Amino acid sequence: DQQVKQNSPSLSVQEGRISILNCDYTNSMFDYFLWYKKYPAEGPTFLISISSIKDKNEDGRFTVFLNKSAKHLSLHIVPSQPGDSAVYFCAASARGTSYGKLTFGQGTILTVHP
Amino acid sequence: DGGITQSPKYLFRKEGQNVTLSCEQNLNHDAMYWYRQDPGQGLRLIYYSQIVNDFQKGDIAEGYSVSREKKESFPLTVTSAQKNPTAFYLCASSDTRGQEQFFGPGTRLTVL
Repeated sequence: DQQVKQNSPSLSVQEGRISILNCDYTNSMFDYFLWYKKYPAEGPTFLISISSIKDKNEDGRFTVFLNKSAKHLSLHIVPSQPGDSAVYFCAASARGTSYGKLTFGQGTILTVHP
Repeated sequence: DGGITQSPKYLFRKEGQNVTLSCEQNLNHDAMYWYRQDPGQGLRLIYYSQIVNDFQKGDIAEGYSVSREKKESFPLTVTSAQKNPTAFYLCASSDTRGQEQFFGPGTRLTVL
């Protein structure tokens, strides 16, 4: 039972354009969501997060949007840069019931072309 | 520099042998985690520990064991009972809020 899904295995974008990565979840107990970036043969690095009390969080070129009614979140990268090319994982936690446990999606490979 | 170290980066073992993966953190985090990543899949939680001398099974604990004798260390043993041990193993830690986990560089285990 995949509680967090990233339905697009890959995304290709031109440098300077917007990258939009999507994530859906099924567990209504999830109340905190995170995006991680991962290069091959390295550990993921934290990018940005959002609590369920918000619907948007912005950090520089990265913005995460949360639509609780649709159980959907998205990560926008504007403008996209070649260095953004990596695998992006969304993750979710239910802090009230399973403190600290993160459930990850399958990842989306982002390729930004110069 | 604070961080998480995992050693070795690459590990080869023969089928039927137990192997222990090291994870050390100097972030003063209470909680530590072990994940497994397979090609085309997300990270799956093997075991986690919220405090010294206590740990809980994650989603795929069968064939693995852990210990948490020190706050800084959370070694993972891949036993011969694990049917498909070849994978990329990631260790992570977080503070007591558990909102953001910091990951180590990972260990690629190949069982021949």
